[in-house]
Amino acid sequence: QVQLVQSGAEVKKPGSSVKVSCKASGGTFSNYAFIWVRQAPGQGLEWMGGIIPIFGTPNYAQKFHDRVTINADKSTSTAYMELSSLRSDDTAVYYCARALAFSGVIVGAPDYWGQGTLVTVS
Amino acid sequence: EIVLTQSPGTLSLSPGERATLSCRAGQSVTTTSLAWYQQKPGQAPRLLIFGASSRATGIPDRFSGSGSGTDFTLTISRLEPEDFAVYYCQQYGNSVTFGGGTKVEIK
Repeated sequence: QVQLVQSGAEVKKPGSSVKVSCKASGGTFSNYAFIWVRQAPGQGLEWMGGIIPIFGTPNYAQKFHDRVTINADKSTSTAYMELSSLRSDDTAVYYCARALAFSGVIVGAPDYWGQGTLVTVS
Repeated sequence: EIVLTQSPGTLSLSPGERATLSCRAGQSVTTTSLAWYQQKPGQAPRLLIFGASSRATGIPDRFSGSGSGTDFTLTISRLEPEDFAVYYCQQYGNSVTFGGGTKVEIK
């Protein structure tokens, strides 16, 4: 059974950084893309970026490209998302999700999601 | 970036009624790369439909998806009490983007 388990809630000061982990179990880690999506309180879903571990090169949404770093550790089946220069409007629940990938491209809808990590910037 | 616009923002319906949700893309979306999700408060999104019209594992057949190009639709044939939630469309063929969501609320 596939599970994505994320790290726990964080409280951060403005200007600092946060790193959220997403550990996958029950599937083949490297054959999938891992994307990061955030949801501010009462708002919709916002894609931040993703990575296909077997290739290692991340892809970032333009909005976050200068503040986000996404990487993956194949040895531990864990994906990471680090967001820097935090502001109060970065307060949100951050989700990781898994999508089938082929030849460096996402070919399936993200089907398994982590439980979410609340990051509060205050 | 492909912009997805969902309408209406809120749909007020009674259990047993039919719900029709729209998702319009700013440019053509590969049909195989359009998905719909359901989200309830405090929960992660749940995949309902992928490839515009294929139901994900375990999704009841009252949920159906259709459309192509720039216009896509999610239909819930008869609303059950557990279907009142927020629904998002997503495209994953050209990077990833989400629509703004449609809230289906009890009338």
